[in-house]
Amino acid sequence: DAMVIQNPRYQVTQFGKPVTLSCSQTLNHNVMYWYQQKSSQAPKLLFHYYDKDFNNEADTPDNFQSRRPNTSFCFLDIRSPGLGDAAMYLCATSEGGAQGYEQYFGPGTRLTVT
Amino acid sequence: DAKTTQPNSMESNEEEPVHLPCNHSTISGTDYIHWYRQLPSQGPEYVIHGLTSNVNNRMASLAIAEDRKSSTLILHRATLRDAAVYYCILKVRGGSNYKLTFGKGTLLTVNP
Repeated sequence: DAMVIQNPRYQVTQFGKPVTLSCSQTLNHNVMYWYQQKSSQAPKLLFHYYDKDFNNEADTPDNFQSRRPNTSFCFLDIRSPGLGDAAMYLCATSEGGAQGYEQYFGPGTRLTVT
Repeated sequence: DAKTTQPNSMESNEEEPVHLPCNHSTISGTDYIHWYRQLPSQGPEYVIHGLTSNVNNRMASLAIAEDRKSSTLILHRATLRDAAVYYCILKVRGGSNYKLTFGKGTLLTVNP
């Protein structure tokens, strides 16, 4: 089945130690999104790529960066994780260019910061 | 950002219909209404979307008010598997594309 894959499912990192989360898709979608979801909260959009166009949300901290080397892969880099960055990180994809397309979400990576 | 308002929680019995309301009084003419749900410990899952007309799919129905300021997600026969947080979202322009901005959603409990 075509899908959105996130690795690893669980990640533990130390305070201040850079960490990279990965997302891949077999849907060949133009758009890839990264969301942060803290406990008992709704997902919060961090940024998204439309092809190679990067779209950052205004309130996303500089500590969060992203790379999309090709259509299939997208990475979330947290340069210096703080305790407040512990959360579920969700990757999603969709076809781009119109409002009617649905988003497909991966299972998420749960990040723990010690 | 275009905002939606939903009840914090709702309860239903198994095999009964469920009507989940959503208000979006600031919707603009081109905003699509999307519904997603999130089961415990999973990523959100697409349910349905619409613009003006009512929509049906295998999961649910979406009833959109004539003035588009509100909509209702209808689960025709709730099952235990439908227990989840349901998000009503307006898909709006974000940079070079469109994006979903999640609100708090409605926690649906289904009683056996």
